[in-house]
Amino acid sequence: IAGITQAPTSQILAAGRRMTLRCTQDMRHNAMYWYRQDLGLGLRLIHYSNTAGTTGKGEVPDGYSVSRANTDDFPLTLASAVPSQTSVYFCASSDGTSDTDTQYFGPGTRLTVL
Amino acid sequence: GQNIDQPTEMTATEGAIVQINCTYQTSGFNGLFWYQQHAGEAPTFLSYNVLDGLEEKGRFSSFLSRSKGYSYLLLKELQMKDSASYLCAVKDSNYQLIWGAGTKLIIKP
Repeated sequence: IAGITQAPTSQILAAGRRMTLRCTQDMRHNAMYWYRQDLGLGLRLIHYSNTAGTTGKGEVPDGYSVSRANTDDFPLTLASAVPSQTSVYFCASSDGTSDTDTQYFGPGTRLTVL
Repeated sequence: GQNIDQPTEMTATEGAIVQINCTYQTSGFNGLFWYQQHAGEAPTFLSYNVLDGLEEKGRFSSFLSRSKGYSYLLLKELQMKDSASYLCAVKDSNYQLIWGAGTKLIIKP
């Protein structure tokens, strides 16, 4: 059982390019999340999905889009990357039904936009 | 606004005890989480508190006081592998997690 996988592990991207970060979970979790983590700041929620077919905006959604065509996959797309999107991106999932609803994280993607 | 405060960095000695504090001001409260994050790795779940009091789990314990908007994580018998960042997060009225910036814990021999 892999849990949550993310690809790529790291990427250097020219400003203005389009980029999709991939996230797949095999835990059959209902909810999935995308966060960015920047030095000195807490994890910030970009987008989330409570169940397949639905998505919602988090704290910092501008410049990012997501889709949730099925339970397992939750890709994050940067339509036209800018240097301020340089960050470490974490995908997470939770079952979405328990009281605790603990989030479990993928290994992260380190993205540099030049 | 919503705010989670934690010390930026703490240093402790191997074998000792350390307490990492977290204070919060959020719109609603539906539980508080502590996560551990080693450098270059993903956060991993440590503990969850929703009622006041102490939850003990091996060498780690977590305390919550909802009236004071306060929690702490207590680490006993510190080991070198406990060197990591410790993240406090509160689930708000929308059931979204609000995260603190994390406390970097440095363990010295």
